[in-house]
Amino acid sequence: DTAVSQTPKYLVTQMGNDKSIKCEQNLGHDTMYWYKQDSKKFLKIMFSYNNKELIINETVPNRFSPKSPDKAHLNLHINSLELGDSAVYFCASSRRTSDEQFFGPGTRLTVL
Amino acid sequence: GEDVEQSLFLSVREGDSSVINCTYTDSSSTYLYWYKQEPGAGLQLLTYIFSNMDMKQDQRLTVLLNKKDKHLSLRIADTQTGDSAIYFCAESYSGAGSYQLTFGKGTKLSVIP
Repeated sequence: DTAVSQTPKYLVTQMGNDKSIKCEQNLGHDTMYWYKQDSKKFLKIMFSYNNKELIINETVPNRFSPKSPDKAHLNLHINSLELGDSAVYFCASSRRTSDEQFFGPGTRLTVL
Repeated sequence: GEDVEQSLFLSVREGDSSVINCTYTDSSSTYLYWYKQEPGAGLQLLTYIFSNMDMKQDQRLTVLLNKKDKHLSLRIADTQTGDSAIYFCAESYSGAGSYQLTFGKGTKLSVIP
């Protein structure tokens, strides 16, 4: 009965690889988000989708591509991984764009 | 642009009150939030306050908002060891048809038994 789930929880990979992180919410929310939390614990929004449409796209390298196959899913695909991509990535969802956000448990990505 | 500032560390004794402070810059913020992040876990919404309110109380938590000074605080009464976590202040920002949260860097609360 997890509200916002992410897979995998941990991801260790080599530089240059392509990887995906999946996010699913079973709350019936319309809006989903991806945040990056760096080593200093600073959280920064990357993307936001509302009803499968991109509404926020912060200054993120175009190696990062979000994909929303339906309202309940927002996956993050990362091409040509770099050392600086190592971080914890959090998915979140909210009923509408102005409502409080519920976060997933995070995915710790380590790029070697 | 918007910016949210918090002190990075706070240490209190079990049973005392904790006060975590936050300042923000966007005067058009509609909601301000406090999130809790326990070690190795995701973010959990603790409480929030609408920008036209001065205070909100929820059991051991009291949120105070000084809109003139753009200052938000979270008071935890009777702090317990289970309260040890990182607390993030966040403000809601609306602009160019989109909506997002801007987070502070988090305050690490350590509770000494």
